[in-house]
Amino acid sequence: QLQLQESGPGLVKPSETLSLMCTVSGGSINKDYWTWIRQTPGKALEWIGYIFFTGGTYYNPSLKNRVTISLDPSKKKFSLKLTSVTTADTAIYYCARLTYLSGFSWFDPWGQGALVTVSS
Amino acid sequence: DIQMTQSPSSLSASVGDRVTITCRASQNINNYLNWYQQKPGKAPDLLIYAASTLHDGVPSRFSGSGSGSDFTLTITNLQPEDFATYYCQQSVSAPPYTFGPGTKVDV
Repeated sequence: QLQLQESGPGLVKPSETLSLMCTVSGGSINKDYWTWIRQTPGKALEWIGYIFFTGGTYYNPSLKNRVTISLDPSKKKFSLKLTSVTTADTAIYYCARLTYLSGFSWFDPWGQGALVTVSS
Repeated sequence: DIQMTQSPSSLSASVGDRVTITCRASQNINNYLNWYQQKPGKAPDLLIYAASTLHDGVPSRFSGSGSGSDFTLTITNLQPEDFATYYCQQSVSAPPYTFGPGTKVDV
């Protein structure tokens, strides 16, 4: 059974870079799309971006200039970097697999989430 | 981007009730609509994809319907474990993928 687990610092200072890692276990990372989603304190869910197993990426235009997602297949990990963070970036960050089937797509499974607080 | 709305934002229900949650897209999304359930302190779990297809292991008391811009999630015979927040999400015009604001079902 595929499982994902986020890891990384829980506190980041304003203007610095948020870095998170997602470890994939119980299945292959050499297929599908690997994605990051965040949930703000108000509970809204925002899709951040994805990386395809071949390395292609697509980011939410609202964050595009600040986001980088990368993949390390040999370690079965993918990562998120978000630069120049502000308090508005405080959220629970989830990694998830994005599956495509017959033109439809959905997020499943999700990691348990990592709370990142931006504060000085 | 396609905007998703949900109604109501919260509702109170009892075990055994039939619950209906509505999701509306700002434009036609055909049936490219997913539903997720989130319990407190947990990540969202996929319930339904393609508007009406139950994900593996999801109880049959959950059902989804709709097409175009209006969709419904129905829970019949509400169980104690169903008290949670439910989100819809569109995938027709994606990326970017967008979610509804959620509907909280509580006692």
